[in-house]
Amino acid sequence: GAGVSQSPSNKVTEKGKDVELRCDPISGHTALYWYRQRLGQGLEFLIYFQGNSAPDKSGLPSDRFSAERTGESVSTLTIQRTQQEDSAVYLCASSSPRQANTEAFFGQGTRLTVV
Amino acid sequence: SQQGEEDPQALSIQEGENATMNCSYKTSINNLQWYRQNSGRGLVHLILIRSNEREKHSGRLRVTLDTSKKSSSLLITASRAADTASYFCATPRGGSQGNLIFGKGTKLSVKP
Repeated sequence: GAGVSQSPSNKVTEKGKDVELRCDPISGHTALYWYRQRLGQGLEFLIYFQGNSAPDKSGLPSDRFSAERTGESVSTLTIQRTQQEDSAVYLCASSSPRQANTEAFFGQGTRLTVV
Repeated sequence: SQQGEEDPQALSIQEGENATMNCSYKTSINNLQWYRQNSGRGLVHLILIRSNEREKHSGRLRVTLDTSKKSSSLLITASRAADTASYFCATPRGGSQGNLIFGKGTKLSVKP
């Protein structure tokens, strides 16, 4: 596609429910990142996929959070048993680190509201 | 801990003035990037500076990098109201590769 696509754009869910957020990276980009941004705050790293390497999950805040990526394409971030503190914008980005020093391209994010 | 830390946290200037934002980082890097974010949604890449570069220009943007001080600055000249946004610096976690670590950002407000 022309850019990184995230869906849904907005999601309102009840506390305790599970949610799935989707990210379609730019075709050919081997690296994919998930970040969380709470209102008025900076970007908090969650997870990083790079090609066939084991993902860097060091940023996932709890075992309620998990993410998968199918090859070098779509990724899904799953939050189980959502809590109000999970309310944030979840941003996905992709890049092509096969080329040295490349920029990351961001999607428009999914705004998650847990009520 | 944050790899990059921007300051100031917030900056308010008049249109036409210059805006300077700073970023400090902790480990050795091979590049540093600056991004802009409007309205709390997707970030847009502005400029990338490599560790062997000291200064780089792109339009009204000027970025400097001082690897000895582990710091970078972003200068926006002749600011416009449309420059109002949050600005973030980002560095590769492992210095040269791996996930990008972002600072907390500088919120710039340019008043007409």
